[in-house]
Amino acid sequence: KAGVTQTPRYLIKTRGQQVTLSCSPISGHRSVSWYQQTPGQGLQFLFEYFSETQRNKGNFPGRFSGRQFSNSRSEMNVSTLELGDSALYLCASSLGGRALWAYNEQFFGPGTRLTVL
Amino acid sequence: GESVGLHLPTLSVQEGDNSIINCAYSNSASDYFIWYKQESGKGPQFIIDIRSNMDKRQGQRVTVLLNKTVKHLSLQIAATQPGDSAVYFCAESPPFNKFYFGSGTKLNVKP
Repeated sequence: KAGVTQTPRYLIKTRGQQVTLSCSPISGHRSVSWYQQTPGQGLQFLFEYFSETQRNKGNFPGRFSGRQFSNSRSEMNVSTLELGDSALYLCASSLGGRALWAYNEQFFGPGTRLTVL
Repeated sequence: GESVGLHLPTLSVQEGDNSIINCAYSNSASDYFIWYKQESGKGPQFIIDIRSNMDKRQGQRVTVLLNKTVKHLSLQIAATQPGDSAVYFCAESPPFNKFYFGSGTKLNVKP
């Protein structure tokens, strides 16, 4: 079974631009979560999508948004990029069923390394 | 929000020794915990999980201990190998909620 894939793996943008990152979950997984990882803040939860609906949201500004498609693939978008947005963006997929949510192991992708100049 | 922290940001051990990585969590409602390993340039990899109705769980060379009284989680790695060198994260999750990750502990295994 193929793992979680993320594209692109590396991205360089300048301040003020916007960026879209893509995540394809493991086949059969309906939940996709996005995280930002920086040396100073560690892994910070951005949001989680399940069946095309945002189910949980972290404490990030509205410049960070996401969506999920009917095939469970997900994209996240960051508008008006700032230098502080430079980070590794990770996506994780899980089965995501509500009754099993508390015990759903999350499988991570390799991440997209975003550098904002 | 919840906070999950680690006592030791860096741990150096000799190859063959046992390693213990600690984690404190703050939400007494959390009922599911995971340890992840992250190697350089890769995403976190699941190591072992434990539910709050257990206080110990063993895997291959790894053991997770959960002390709900003091809200403490630990990961024990037996006979540590150079391939175990990585950053280790603990994560907690309250029921039907998102995961909260600790800041990570870097494990250095000296040959």
